[in-house]
Amino acid sequence: DQQVKQNSPSLSVQEGRISILNCDYTNSMFDYFLWYKKYPAEGPTFLISISSIKDKNEDGRFTVFLNKSAKHLSLHIVPSQPGDSAVYFCAASAGNSGGSNYKLTFGKGTLLTVNP
Amino acid sequence: NAGVMQNPRHLVRRRGQEARLRCSPMKGHSHVYWYRQLPEEGLKFMVYLQKENIIDESGMPKERFSAEFPKEGPSILRIQQVVRGDSAAYFCASSRGTANQPQHFGDGTRLSIL
Repeated sequence: DQQVKQNSPSLSVQEGRISILNCDYTNSMFDYFLWYKKYPAEGPTFLISISSIKDKNEDGRFTVFLNKSAKHLSLHIVPSQPGDSAVYFCAASAGNSGGSNYKLTFGKGTLLTVNP
Repeated sequence: NAGVMQNPRHLVRRRGQEARLRCSPMKGHSHVYWYRQLPEEGLKFMVYLQKENIIDESGMPKERFSAEFPKEGPSILRIQQVVRGDSAAYFCASSRGTANQPQHFGDGTRLSIL
C-alpha cells in the first residue's frame, strides 16, 4: 500500500512560468513533509520542508503548501528555470511519542522538465 | 566536502559474494539512515543507526543484510550472499537530530549483481 503518492510521473513547463508538483498521502499520522530534488546518478537534495502545524512554508522560489484535511501537499516553483529540470520526490514521516520522526516514506517521484 | 560521503559509487558483485557499502555522515550529524531505491520506485527506508547502536532496522530484510555504525569510522551496510534482486541504488542519509530535521543524502552506491 503506497502511503505517499505522486500521481503525475512527469510535468513539462516553460521557463519563467510556475511549476506545481502535487503529492497525496493516506497516513493521517504523518506530521512532517519534505521535498527533494534528484538529478540522475546523484543523491536526493533537500529543498524544503513543512510540519503539520503550518499550512505554508516559503524559501526563495520554492513554496510548499499543506492541506491536512485533503491530505495533500504541493510544491510551487516560480519562476521555473531550466536548471530545475530533475525528478522531485515528496516524502513524509510520522512522529512518535518521543517526538522523533525519522522514517521517511517517499513517493515515486515526478520528472519536471523546464523548457527554455 | 562537508556532505554525506558514500563509497564505492558503483559496485559489481557475482551471486553469492558479499557487498560492503560505506557511508560517512555530514560533520556534526550523529544520525545515519540507509535507504534502497529500485528502478522506477521511490526510496525505501531500511535502517536507522546512531553511534554503536541500531535504533530501527524494521525496513531491512531479516537475512543476509546487516548494518553498523561503529564508534570510529563510517557506517557500513553489509549484504552477504548477494542475489540478483539485491541490484539497486543504496542511499545513505544523515541528520543532526530526528525531530523535524531534514535528512541529507549521499550520492548513493549502485550495486549490480551478475
